[in-house]
Amino acid sequence: NAGVMQNPRHLVRRRGQEARLRCSPMKGHSHVYWYRQLPEEGLKFMVYLQKENIIDESGMPKERFSAEFPKEGPSILRIQQVVRGDSAAYFCASSPPGQLSETQYFGPGTRLLVL
Amino acid sequence: AQSVTQPDIHITVSEGASLELRCNYSYGATPYLFWYVQSPGQGLQLLLKYFSGDTLVQGIKGFEAEFKRSQSSFNLRKPSVHWSDAAEYFCAVDYSGGSNYKLTFGKGTLLTVNP
Repeated sequence: NAGVMQNPRHLVRRRGQEARLRCSPMKGHSHVYWYRQLPEEGLKFMVYLQKENIIDESGMPKERFSAEFPKEGPSILRIQQVVRGDSAAYFCASSPPGQLSETQYFGPGTRLLVL
Repeated sequence: AQSVTQPDIHITVSEGASLELRCNYSYGATPYLFWYVQSPGQGLQLLLKYFSGDTLVQGIKGFEAEFKRSQSSFNLRKPSVHWSDAAEYFCAVDYSGGSNYKLTFGKGTLLTVNP
């Protein structure tokens, strides 16, 4: 059973470009979470999605950031018009449907560098 | 505000020595508690978790952690450190009452192991 997959692993963008980060959850997992890790910081929750639904996006910046988890295909975190402050590691996690004792399994992350 | 504190940014120990990494959380009720390890360039791997029951929990790789309600702490321990344990360790808390998303992470403790 493959783990959570993220691609690309590294992404370099110039200011003003768009960044698209993809996350394929573990097989059987229908819940996806995105976290951002700024340099020398812990991970910060961004958004929680289920298939075709955004459940909680309270951690997402109000502008330029969006996320989706379509019925088919991976979850996408999209950052429009990137700025240098967006440089960070973006981690995706997934968990199976259920409650209480389920645990989030993390992918290897996408390291975004904005020049 | 709900927070997780890891007081030690960087710890150095000799191989074979014992290890304790500290974690304190702020909350009235008992949250759900986790320790994750992150090797350089890798994603987070779950070491152990506490939901309820026995306050001493065993994890993978010989790690254990003890929940102390009176101290709002969940410290990670290992009796004898191996060179391969060198990594960054994150304490995380689920403040959502067990619905297990929106984990709040500490800033991490970087562990260096001397030969």
